[in-house]
Amino acid sequence: ETGVTQSPTHLIKTRGQQVTLRCSSQSGHNTVSWYQQALGQGPQFIFQYYREEENGRGNFPPRFSGLQFPNYSSELNVNALELDDSALYLCASSLALGGGAGELFFGEGSRLTVL
Amino acid sequence: AQSVTQLGSHVSVSEGALVLLRCNYSSSVPPYLFWYVQYPNQGLQLLLKYTSAATLVKGINDFEAEFKKSETSFHLTKPSAHMSDAAEYFCAVSSFGNEKLTFGTGTRLTIIP
Repeated sequence: ETGVTQSPTHLIKTRGQQVTLRCSSQSGHNTVSWYQQALGQGPQFIFQYYREEENGRGNFPPRFSGLQFPNYSSELNVNALELDDSALYLCASSLALGGGAGELFFGEGSRLTVL
Repeated sequence: AQSVTQLGSHVSVSEGALVLLRCNYSSSVPPYLFWYVQYPNQGLQLLLKYTSAATLVKGINDFEAEFKKSETSFHLTKPSAHMSDAAEYFCAVSSFGNEKLTFGTGTRLTIIP
């Protein structure tokens, strides 16, 4: 069974640039969630995708966008990068069974540094 | 709105001593509660979860947590700390039909040899 994999693991960008982060979900999972974890903080929910549709969004501006593909992998795109976007971006996959409380399986994250 | 508060950003215990990490939640609906562990440079791993069944929940690596509605608490305990328990621990809350987690700010656990 393949776990959640994310790429790249580390990257450095400058203010104003755009970035794409990728996530392959665990085999059999149909839901992908993205979280932002700033240094010394808990993860914050960005958005969730279920069957290629956005299924809920946290308090993040529209320059944070995402996609989910038919194989349930996902991308997180961030435009017009700001210094405060520097963080660890975590992808989590789960199998939506209805009723919530499905276990989230997290990848190791992509660490983004914005200079 | 839901939230969790983790009391103590850093906790140090001696090897073999009791581990107690505190979490209080706020939720307008019956909550689902979780504890996750994060080792350095890794993602989060689920330790245990409460989903309205038994109030005492047992997880991996001898961790357990007790849901106390009257105190709105979900504290994490382990009878005997091991060096390998050194990590960051996060409490999180969600609600029925909702897999979007709200995390606390975390507690860094240090084990003293």
